[in-house]
Amino acid sequence: DAGITQSPRYKITETGRQVTLMCHQTWSHSYMFWYRQDLGHGLRLIYYSAAADITDKGEVPDGYVVSRSKTENFPLTLESATRSQTSVYFCASSEWVAGETEQFFGPGTRLTVL
Amino acid sequence: AQSVTQLDSQVPVFEEAPVELRCNYSSSVSVYLFWYVQYPNQGLQLLLKYLSGSTLVESINGFEAEFNKSQTSFHLRKPSVHISDTAEYFCAVSDLSAGNMLTFGGGTRLMVKP
Repeated sequence: DAGITQSPRYKITETGRQVTLMCHQTWSHSYMFWYRQDLGHGLRLIYYSAAADITDKGEVPDGYVVSRSKTENFPLTLESATRSQTSVYFCASSEWVAGETEQFFGPGTRLTVL
Repeated sequence: AQSVTQLDSQVPVFEEAPVELRCNYSSSVSVYLFWYVQYPNQGLQLLLKYLSGSTLVESINGFEAEFNKSQTSFHLRKPSVHISDTAEYFCAVSDLSAGNMLTFGGGTRLMVKP
């Protein structure tokens, strides 16, 4: 499927478990992003990547790990899930084309940590 | 670092009435500005953007926003809303020095009543 996809769409896990959220885009965009959405906070940037093998922290990186070995994939791992990481997670990608840019978002993953 | 303030967390309005959703950002340096819309249980979709040129930008479904540099604002307006406009609206800013990174406001829930 063309576009940006996330899996799983829904996940329930327990405190202390490792969880990996997947993100895949078919446009070969250079930039990819992970956000979390919580009531009253809008979207907050967790990590971003400007290209394969280049990643950097966003506003709320603690407790998360990312990697980007291939341009099209940008997995987000919660090494030891905590209840405060219950949230909706969105992946996005973007590129500069003719001096313009916009971020395209995936459908989101709703994660519940019990 | 940039910050974005959406002054109203909820805006109830009757169908066919005009609406304005307010957005202010923190810095007057060169920025790109965006409005995204999120329908229930979906990801974010770009509604409109300001990158350069005319300070008034329009979307295909009747929304418009005006970039006001002196007031550091990017308010979203629609002269006559429909039930189908019920959604969460997010204002976002990208600082040109920060590449493609976006900073989001907390969101405004537009509730259109019949």
